[in-house]
Amino acid sequence: AQSVTQPDIHITVSEGASLELRCNYSYGATPYLFWYVQSPGQGLQLLLKYFSGDTLVQGIKGFEAEFKRSQSSFNLRKPSVHWSDAAEYFCAVGPMEYGNKLVFGAGTILRVKS
Amino acid sequence: DAMVIQNPRYQVTQFGKPVTLSCSQTLNHNVMYWYQQKSSQAPKLLFHYYDKDFNNEADTPDNFQSRRPNTSFCFLDIRSPGLGDAAMYLCATSRDQQPQHFGDGTRLSIL
Repeated sequence: AQSVTQPDIHITVSEGASLELRCNYSYGATPYLFWYVQSPGQGLQLLLKYFSGDTLVQGIKGFEAEFKRSQSSFNLRKPSVHWSDAAEYFCAVGPMEYGNKLVFGAGTILRVKS
Repeated sequence: DAMVIQNPRYQVTQFGKPVTLSCSQTLNHNVMYWYQQKSSQAPKLLFHYYDKDFNNEADTPDNFQSRRPNTSFCFLDIRSPGLGDAAMYLCATSRDQQPQHFGDGTRLSIL
């Protein structure tokens, strides 16, 4: 069965510190992987996606993620966190067939302290 | 800007009173999705339309239905809302092999 695990429910980092959010997946075929961010009361905004090719992908807002097939991971990173990055982050996996049905992880809430 | 628009942003209804949430898109995407998201949980797919073809998730309650009168609009109907249906409802769209674009959601409260 397809599943996504985000082991950290909450993470707190200091402003300016580096960030890594973990994501592990279980998927029967080559996965397509996504990170979305959700601010309180808002919808989900796509940060970045991995379809194929270079395993290090760059996204918006200075985020990047690395696909590691051997570890079934797709961790999200940012070298220097800003207070505006405080939000909930969702990792998702899905096929690239029609419909693009996604399986989401439970999310990681990021808090940024000044 | 092309986008996914959900109306209203906040909806309050009474227990058992039918309610309709709407979603429109200017992206000309052929697939539209409805998700339910409860507090501190991941979005849960209720159903999606691929063009006019309706695809219901196996565990979506019969209380939830949807209509897509044209490419741009999709509606979520809750026939008899219960207290457990209070949630954020997210609409998303996609086309071909592109990622889903989400609206800002409608937060539904049940009195």
